[in-house]
Amino acid sequence: EVQLVESGGAVVQPGGSLRLSCAASGFTLDDYNMHWVRQAPGKGLEWVSVINWGSGTTYYADSVKGRFTISRDNSKNSLYVQMNSLRTDDTAVYYCAKDKHSTSSLLDAFDIWGQGTMVTVSS
Amino acid sequence: QSVLTQPPSVSAAPGQKVTISCSGSTSNIGNNYVSWYQQLPGTAPKLLIYDNNKRPSGIPDRFSGSKSGTSATLGITGLQTGDEADYYCGTWDSSLSARVFGTGTKVTVL
Repeated sequence: EVQLVESGGAVVQPGGSLRLSCAASGFTLDDYNMHWVRQAPGKGLEWVSVINWGSGTTYYADSVKGRFTISRDNSKNSLYVQMNSLRTDDTAVYYCAKDKHSTSSLLDAFDIWGQGTMVTVSS
Repeated sequence: QSVLTQPPSVSAAPGQKVTISCSGSTSNIGNNYVSWYQQLPGTAPKLLIYDNNKRPSGIPDRFSGSKSGTSATLGITGLQTGDEADYYCGTWDSSLSARVFGTGTKVTVL
């Protein structure tokens, strides 16, 4: 079964750092574009970042550029996001998601989502 | 602010049809594939439509997608109480080099 399981969510103070993890099973993570998407309480979906299959090229939303870093560990079949200089408006449920097609362009769709992990930035 | 605009809410009686619009521009919908997602309360989003009008395995044909120019539409026929959810469109924005989502539409079954 194809599955994504996020972990690492916590309560952190403004200016702090946190690393989220996403363990993949049932598929080879390196064959797919992998994303982080977040959803603030009561708000809509916001795409955060993607790491391209193979090359590992990364892209970020303007709201997190320079503060967040997406990465993957193929040996662990896991995806990560390192979040630094956290702000109160980073408070959200963070989902990892995979693209539907292997070795695809970025013009694809998210077909599998994790259950999400909650990040709360508060003093 | 999202670059894709959806109506905040739509509603209809059971068995009826609803359509949800998603309006964008040439840098996103106009030149890239559109996908649609259903998010039931308290759960992760679920893929309903990809590549403008294709349904993943297991998605009933009550759900359909279309695209024309810089707009896309999700249709739901034979509305059921279990369809009450938030629905989001999504695509790649070539100017932003980013995936983007619509503002979201809440579907209510009267």
